[in-house]
Amino acid sequence: GAGVSQSPRYKVAKRGQDVALRCDPISGHVSLFWYQQALGQGPEFLTYFQNEAQLDKSGLPSDRFFAERPEGSVSTLKIQRTQQEDSAVYLCASSHRDYDSYNEQFFGPGTRLTVL
Amino acid sequence: GNSVTQMEGPVTLSEEAFLTINCTYTATGYPSLFWYVQYPGEGLQLLLKATKADDKGSNKGFEATYRKETTSFHLEKGSVQVSDSAVYFCALTMTGGFKTIFGAGTRLFVKA
Repeated sequence: GAGVSQSPRYKVAKRGQDVALRCDPISGHVSLFWYQQALGQGPEFLTYFQNEAQLDKSGLPSDRFFAERPEGSVSTLKIQRTQQEDSAVYLCASSHRDYDSYNEQFFGPGTRLTVL
Repeated sequence: GNSVTQMEGPVTLSEEAFLTINCTYTATGYPSLFWYVQYPGEGLQLLLKATKADDKGSNKGFEATYRKETTSFHLEKGSVQVSDSAVYFCALTMTGGFKTIFGAGTRLFVKA
């Protein structure tokens, strides 16, 4: 596809369930980012991958959050034992080369997670 | 720590009005500055950027100038259109870094 895709677009989970959110970046993009966007707020950085290497996971809010990108393309963000405060839109973005501050990030449409 | 503050919305304007959305930042060092836009039902997309002081970013009639002395990056457009209705996010990334910090966003409504 031409852009970043994410699935599912919407996810409803009961508190305590595990969820997995998928991101397909633009083909050939080296850098991949995950963000969490609460209602009415800007995106907040969660984690960054350069190819398959997770170079920064400092934004992950707890050890219930885990991200992987095993082959350097598709990435999955997993949330274990979901809590209501995890309800947010989860955004994925990719960038075409090793990231530096000048590079444009291309965003996916996001996955809206609602935890009941 | 590094942060971005932008004016609260919503901002409601009539078509052809002048637009300013204020953005100020706090950063240790010299960041690159960005404006991203999110149109209804779409993902975030880059609108413009500036990578050093006094640079002016411009795109689609929008422009913003990187002002180091006032730590600001205000977004302006001389004549807005209904199609400019969207949420606008100011953001920064530190030089050599990859963690982007976003403001809370400003929703713009343009009436015909």
